[in-house]
Amino acid sequence: SYELTQPPSVSVSPGQTASITCSGDKLGNKYACWYQQKPGQSPMLVIYQDSKRPSGIPERFSGSNSGNTATLTISGTQAMDEADYYCQAWDTSTADVVFGGGTQLTVL
Amino acid sequence: QVQLVQSGAEVKKPGASVKVSCKASGYTFTSYYMHWVRQAPGQGLEWMGIFNPSDGGTSYAQKFQGRVTMTRDTSTSTVYMELSSLRSEDTAVYYCAREREEYCSGGSCFKGFNYWGQGTPVTVSS
Repeated sequence: SYELTQPPSVSVSPGQTASITCSGDKLGNKYACWYQQKPGQSPMLVIYQDSKRPSGIPERFSGSNSGNTATLTISGTQAMDEADYYCQAWDTSTADVVFGGGTQLTVL
Repeated sequence: QVQLVQSGAEVKKPGASVKVSCKASGYTFTSYYMHWVRQAPGQGLEWMGIFNPSDGGTSYAQKFQGRVTMTRDTSTSTVYMELSSLRSEDTAVYYCAREREEYCSGGSCFKGFNYWGQGTPVTVSS
């Protein structure tokens, strides 16, 4: 089965740039999405189709996807961005949705 | 506005079944595929399957095949997820989540899940 691998945790200072990676075999050939989840809340879509932002998502959130790695970048990270982030892709071979294991972003 | 409202928390014994509902409003119910995702305590998101509210078609993750059933009631715009033969490892919060793209069930049109229910905690304990 297809797997997506994320680092368990990433730390960033306020105002700096945070990068969260998601690795999978030929992931660049698939569309990647990213979700933000804060404690006690449902996940929220922040990036779809590799780099597109849904309405209402701040411009500081951006995404890219090439080769085997998709990356979520948060520029000018704010304390409110502290959350768990999950990548997601559609595995065309099995028609299954796959999530990465999640990355806890700490802003300190 | 689009809303997905799920049923309340459940406590079940091992071996029992649980049926979680997800009532949709604010959009054309039959135009968007619905997914079910679960999250065990302190763990990540796990996809369970996809449901087509238009024709009742389903595709389940291999891990859950034989134990999960997704259905709908079009008269109330409600989707259901039933999980049987429950074990302690099924203790989790269960979410319904709607596809962002109309009539899309994956592939090149896939744009993620832009609406989620509030989650239904299911506890399996003897």
